[in-house]
Amino acid sequence: DAGVIQSPRHEVTEMGQEVTLRCKPISGHDYLFWYRQTMMRGLELLIYFNNNVPIDDSGMPEDRFSAKMPNASFSTLKIQPSEPRDSAVYFCASSLGGANEKLFFGSGTQLSVL
Amino acid sequence: GIQVEQSPPDLILQEGANSTLRCNFSDSVNNLQWFHQNPWGQLINLFYIPSGTKQNGRLSATTVATERYSLLYISSSQTTDSGVYFCAGNTGKLIFGQGTTLQVKP
Repeated sequence: DAGVIQSPRHEVTEMGQEVTLRCKPISGHDYLFWYRQTMMRGLELLIYFNNNVPIDDSGMPEDRFSAKMPNASFSTLKIQPSEPRDSAVYFCASSLGGANEKLFFGSGTQLSVL
Repeated sequence: GIQVEQSPPDLILQEGANSTLRCNFSDSVNNLQWFHQNPWGQLINLFYIPSGTKQNGRLSATTVATERYSLLYISSSQTTDSGVYFCAGNTGKLIFGQGTTLQVKP
């Protein structure tokens, strides 16, 4: 299996622009997680899905952030409008049984908002 | 919410040395996982270890759930072990510690 695939690897954008991050989980995994990593706050869970349904979005920082999972093999995290404080590495991860099973991470998207 | 504390925050080793990293959690967790973030930023799952001891090559991990801690042992360290080691406790979702940054010098 190719593992969790994220795109793009790097994204540089200007404040106010819309940003869309993409994730393809490992085939057969029914849980998908979006994490954000910053120096100040470490790794934070933003939202997770089970069988394409959002279960917990309490970590989504504000309404500018939204996430969707239209099918079992694809998810997006959208920021609109983006702000410089959104600059971070965004990771997608998947597992067979939520946090009760091993989590496998993608390579991350390094987002820079100027 | 649960607090996950890791120690030490930073560690410098000479190649070949052994080390122990510790993870304490403030409340009961369903299970615990250890991750290694390499210098290129990739997060690799090392262990899923709710209790007991597991070994994988030069690495081993022990979780004592009743005392709310877990240990990661690295033996005969190599430069490729450098990076950040995270533990994460499961309270229904994984909560990560702040990590231990390890540098192994040749």
